[in-house]
Parts: sequence; structure tokens; C-alpha cells
Amino acid sequence: DAGITQSPRHKVTETGTPVTLRCHQTENHRYMYWYRQDPGHGLRLIHYSYGVKDTDKGEVSDGYSVSRSKTEDFLLTLESATSSQTSVYFCAISEAHREFMSGYTFGSGTRLTVV
Amino acid sequence: AQTVTQSQPEMSVQEAETVTLSCTYDTSESDYYLFWYKQPPSRQMILVIRQEAYKQQNATENRFSVNFQKAAKSFSLKISDSQLGDAAMYFCAYRSKGTDKLIFGTGTRLQVFP
Repeated sequence: DAGITQSPRHKVTETGTPVTLRCHQTENHRYMYWYRQDPGHGLRLIHYSYGVKDTDKGEVSDGYSVSRSKTEDFLLTLESATSSQTSVYFCAISEAHREFMSGYTFGSGTRLTVV
Repeated sequence: AQTVTQSQPEMSVQEAETVTLSCTYDTSESDYYLFWYKQPPSRQMILVIRQEAYKQQNATENRFSVNFQKAAKSFSLKISDSQLGDAAMYFCAYRSKGTDKLIFGTGTRLQVFP
């Protein structure tokens, strides 16, 4: 029933190479988010999107960019991967009416290792 | 800015017993939402329970319940009759009514022993 899928599930890349992670949703939710999860830090917001071509930075956005050309797809790009970007990356979607109490629906995550 | 603190990096409980996970938060807002998420070894993030700040009544979902103390800015999760499948990382999260962004705590790893 995966209304949200992330690809790839695992990736190993070399320092200095560009990497793109993909998030695809079939729920037609307006709001999408990218988080990274690191031990001792929980989940931290990288970038988010409130609609097509409407994106903004989160608390740990340095070294990352995003694009959203279609409602269903939200891409996260590491322009030049560094070892500090080794992490598990989660995409999430939200029904997101501001007055509606909802949590997020999360993808299954991408484990990225930068060597 | 709002912050969420989980002061227990690890907890353990014996099967069938009860365990309480702590969460405190800092905010100047009066209306917001609080959540507990479970992350088993599969890595999937699963919503366990949620609470609306303006509701006095503590939320309950089967064996999971919360103790919401608004004045103390505390939001603890109680798991009753613990099961082996409850073993996971648990994250507390805050969501302002003014924004859609979730702010997470650092997590508590729960071990369940038979």
C-alpha cells in the first residue's frame, strides 16, 4: 500500500560525486519533506516543499538542493557528497491543511554511505 | 524556536510489564500537536499516538497511552503489557499549528526482554 516510495534504498558513493535521491508519492499530498536521521540527533529537516516549484530550506540544508517539478516527485541532490552526509534519509508527505492534525507518512528511507 | 528533548537514550522492559518513555518540549505557543513515532529495525516510521494541545484528555491507542502535562511541557508515552514487537526506537515530535514541519527529539531505544 506504499503511497510513498524512496529510491534507492541503499547507496554507496564516493566523496565529491553528485547523488540524487528520489521520493515518489501517489497520495496527491501537497506537502513533502526530506529529513536525515543520525544517531544522537533524531530526524532533522533538510528541505521541504509546499507545492510544485515551491521549496524552502530546513535546519540542515547546507550541501543539499531539492527540486519538485511534479506533485508526486521530490528530489534531493547532494551536489558534491561528503562523508558528513553519510546518513539515513527519509522523505515524508503530509495532508497538511494547517488546521488539520495529522502526522506525516514516511517513506522507508535511503541509507547513504559516502566513502 | 521549539525544541524536543528525550532524556533517555535507552530503556528496557520485561515482556508484559509497563514502561514509560519521557519527552519534554519547549514552546511559547499555546496550540500545537504532539506525536510519538515508532521505528522498528525495518526503519519504517510508524505513528503510534498523537495529542492535540488544547485537549485535556490524554490520548490512548490500545496498549499505548500518553501523559500530557501542558503546563510542565511534558508528553510521556506509556506502553502497557509490553510485547517483544514493541522493541524499537521511539521518537517524540512536535508540530506547531502555524507550520507543517515536525520537530523531533533524539529518540529512545526500547529493548523488551522475554
